Amino acid sequence: GAVVSQHPSWVICKSGTSVKIECRSLDFQATTMFWYRQFPKQSLMLMATSNEGSKATYEQGVEKDKFLINHASLTLSTLTVTSAHPEDSSFYICSASFQGDEQYFGPGTRLTVT
Amino acid sequence: KQEVTQIPAALSVPEGENLVLNCSFTDSAIYNLQWFRQDPGKGLTSLLLIQSSQREQTSGRLNASLDKSSGRSTLYIAASQPGDSATYLCAVDFTPGKLIFGQGTTLQVKP
Repeated sequence: GAVVSQHPSWVICKSGTSVKIECRSLDFQATTMFWYRQFPKQSLMLMATSNEGSKATYEQGVEKDKFLINHASLTLSTLTVTSAHPEDSSFYICSASFQGDEQYFGPGTRLTVT
Repeated sequence: KQEVTQIPAALSVPEGENLVLNCSFTDSAIYNLQWFRQDPGKGLTSLLLIQSSQREQTSGRLNASLDKSSGRSTLYIAASQPGDSATYLCAVDFTPGKLIFGQGTTLQVKP
């Protein structure tokens, strides 16, 4: 149980365009979802936390107008990278939890901006 | 500032050897600590979760310990195998739901 999926698994987009990444909890209701970013050879850094039906809480240094997070249902959260630039190229990983329990992680999405 | 540090950054051992990975954290007031495995280009696989009230957890050849007073955790891998080669990440939950990750230890087990 406790499976989290992400789509797409990898995406290439041109500089200036926007790209949406989906995170789904397949077999449980995710009251909270988290978005992390991982640059090459580095560890995961939390970007934002979202509770279903509420606005996301962003970590210091993360631009909320650039990384739009929507958590409209208990099984789906989306991260939209707006006006993407090459420096946004990274590995984006989501996780989901139910009422403060353990976080379950998705397989990640590799974003490359050309 | 709440930080998580892992030592060593990389480790190479021959197959069959027992090994220990270290994780240290700056604040003893934690909710839990978790060890993950990450294969290149992949997501995270949870290995062991230790709640604040626990001192250790075991799963197969893996044993994780937690000493909050000293701000340390260790992941012990017995009888290492080439399939254990991966990056091992330690993550600490200082604030409910907010995991802070260490930089990871990249392990290579040579056949």
